[in-house]
Amino acid sequence: GQQLNQSPQSMFIQEGEDVSMNCTSSSIFNTWLWYKQDPGEGPVLLIALYKAGELTSNGRLTAQFGITRKDSFLNISASIPSDVGIYFCAGQRGSNQFYFGTGTSLTVIP
Amino acid sequence: NAGVTQTPKFRVLKTGQSMTLLCAQDMNHEYMYWYRQDPGMGLRLIHYSVGEGTTAKGEVPDGYNVSRLKKQNFLLGLESAAPSQTSVYFCASSYGGIEQRGYTFGSGTRLTVV
Repeated sequence: GQQLNQSPQSMFIQEGEDVSMNCTSSSIFNTWLWYKQDPGEGPVLLIALYKAGELTSNGRLTAQFGITRKDSFLNISASIPSDVGIYFCAGQRGSNQFYFGTGTSLTVIP
Repeated sequence: NAGVTQTPKFRVLKTGQSMTLLCAQDMNHEYMYWYRQDPGMGLRLIHYSVGEGTTAKGEVPDGYNVSRLKKQNFLLGLESAAPSQTSVYFCASSYGGIEQRGYTFGSGTRLTVV
């Protein structure tokens, strides 16, 4: 299957700190998505990116579609306790299917 | 809107038993998907459907079957459950098309096979 490498695998940060995570692939993608999964729930879409170089924000979240189309980045500013969860990237390249990364687990320490 | 509803939420099966997981969506989405989520593995696609009456294999289809008799429902069947199928199963749906607007996920079914 298509490999999407997400890093870091887990993060432990202090409330108020900024967070950065990324997703890389050996293949080019046409669409990148970022999801957040709360414990015991399904993933929820945070941000969708459709063009190389695109920078999109959703509140304190900002995501970028890499210029090479092989990577994407998610930043969270001024983290709060409810940011806790697993963040997944997903990429699509011309098919019906999205490929998901292995997730970044975020813990915010009050 | 209910979105994507999965039933049941939890199930314990004995090895060799069979069961069906039901997924229902009320958003008139064409595409529906079944994923399994295992620790450290992310989400892996089992089967998917691009419309009523159609199904296709995903990344890990062995041991599972699916049916899409109605547009709003997508069923996942385990004919003879194995411990390796212990996992959390997620159903998702989407509009499909060239510009995907992303999937809407259900809240998951936690299955344990003993």
